[in-house]
Amino acid sequence: GENVEQHPSTLSVQEGDSAVIKCTYSDSASNYFPWYKQELGKGPQLIIDIRSNVGEKKDQRIAVTLNKTAKHFSLHITETQPEDSAVYFCAATQDSSYKLIFGSGTRLLVRP
Amino acid sequence: GAVVSQHPSRVICKSGTSVKIECRSLDFQATTMFWYRQFPKQSLMLMATSNEGSKATYEQGVEKDKFLINHASLTLSTLTVTSAHPEDSSFYICSAGLAGGGHTDTQYFGPGTRLTVL
Repeated sequence: GENVEQHPSTLSVQEGDSAVIKCTYSDSASNYFPWYKQELGKGPQLIIDIRSNVGEKKDQRIAVTLNKTAKHFSLHITETQPEDSAVYFCAATQDSSYKLIFGSGTRLLVRP
Repeated sequence: GAVVSQHPSRVICKSGTSVKIECRSLDFQATTMFWYRQFPKQSLMLMATSNEGSKATYEQGVEKDKFLINHASLTLSTLTVTSAHPEDSSFYICSAGLAGGGHTDTQYFGPGTRLTVL
């Protein structure tokens, strides 16, 4: 089955700096890779996703890149703000299963 | 759009009682809903996949007789934790799949239900 590894587990950056979170997956058949932001005591919120037919996707300060050959994908947040502080989860799935396999999460702290 | 609600948001119950959690897709129809459990500072673990009008599919290690799932309509799925014990205390989160042009359903999550069993 699919296995998703996520690094780093914690990340502290200064406000205005960029943050990068990386994930690797094991199943080459995986073709959908969403990223979720979870604030304390709340459910995960989809912030961006990418499918295997593209290599990069951007939405304002957030971007995701996908390297299918290396089986890894990354979340990039530019010009970080204190409200970006949260736990971020990557996930992977295949069309055939619809089941999301989550990474272990990254706790991002943006220092004012 | 794509809003998922859960009720209740928080519940405290005595050991041995049953608790029902509702998950609703408010502005779309969801053929498939998913139930997750999340322990403090851990990732989300899929418990079961719920399909409207059919029996739920449970992940390995999840007791189907303890965690009863009903998906009676395209907008409502319920999870009942039967004979709850303190070890069942956790954050339960549902998600609903939004089909997009034949691709894998994008999953939108509810706000979660904090269950505390005394």
